[in-house]
Amino acid sequence: GGIITQTPKFLIGQEGQKLTLKCQQNFNHDTMYWYRQDSGKGLRLIYYSITENDLQKGDLSEGYDASREKKSSFSLTVTSAQKNEMAVFLCASSISGDQDTQYFGPGTRLLVL
Amino acid sequence: QQKVQQSPESLTVSEGAMASLNCTFSDRSSDNFRWYRQHSGKGLEVLVSIFSDGEKEEGSFTAHLNRASLHVFLHIREPQPSDSALYLCAVRDTNAYKVIFGKGTHLHVLP
Repeated sequence: GGIITQTPKFLIGQEGQKLTLKCQQNFNHDTMYWYRQDSGKGLRLIYYSITENDLQKGDLSEGYDASREKKSSFSLTVTSAQKNEMAVFLCASSISGDQDTQYFGPGTRLLVL
Repeated sequence: QQKVQQSPESLTVSEGAMASLNCTFSDRSSDNFRWYRQHSGKGLEVLVSIFSDGEKEEGSFTAHLNRASLHVFLHIREPQPSDSALYLCAVRDTNAYKVIFGKGTHLHVLP
């Protein structure tokens, strides 16, 4: 088995601040994903990465940057936090992209004051 | 792009009574469907994957796929209070790397 670790668990930021979320997986999976989960809206894909140094935009990429520094890690940056923003950011990984189950981390909970 | 809807938004059942959750999708060309569960404050846990019409059982969870009617159901046999959670339907999009999630059904199991 493996595990996905997300840091930090909770993130409180200020309006306009640049905030970075980190994700590590030890499954040795090729593909990694970042999703945003808002109450009542389900999960929306922000970025995904098929392999190290690859980046693909999802449906919600505006306002975010991502970086796949190595196979095991995938980071997400909120380029300018929006006031009163509150959401959960979930990282996932899969062996490859096609057909395979995505395994999820516990999430980072963001609150912008 | 696939559109995925789940019903009901919230479901309350008594411990031991069968719980049935519904998921509808818009494009029957997909052959990759999963049900996930999310306990409050936690990540998603995969329950059952199904890739062809019919049923697939994993423990107390049974998925039933009917692509002709654009439905995939999840049946939970003898649910316990610990099964109270948000249940999410996930459908693979025509872009193989993208998965479209429904908004979820909140299941409450009363002791």
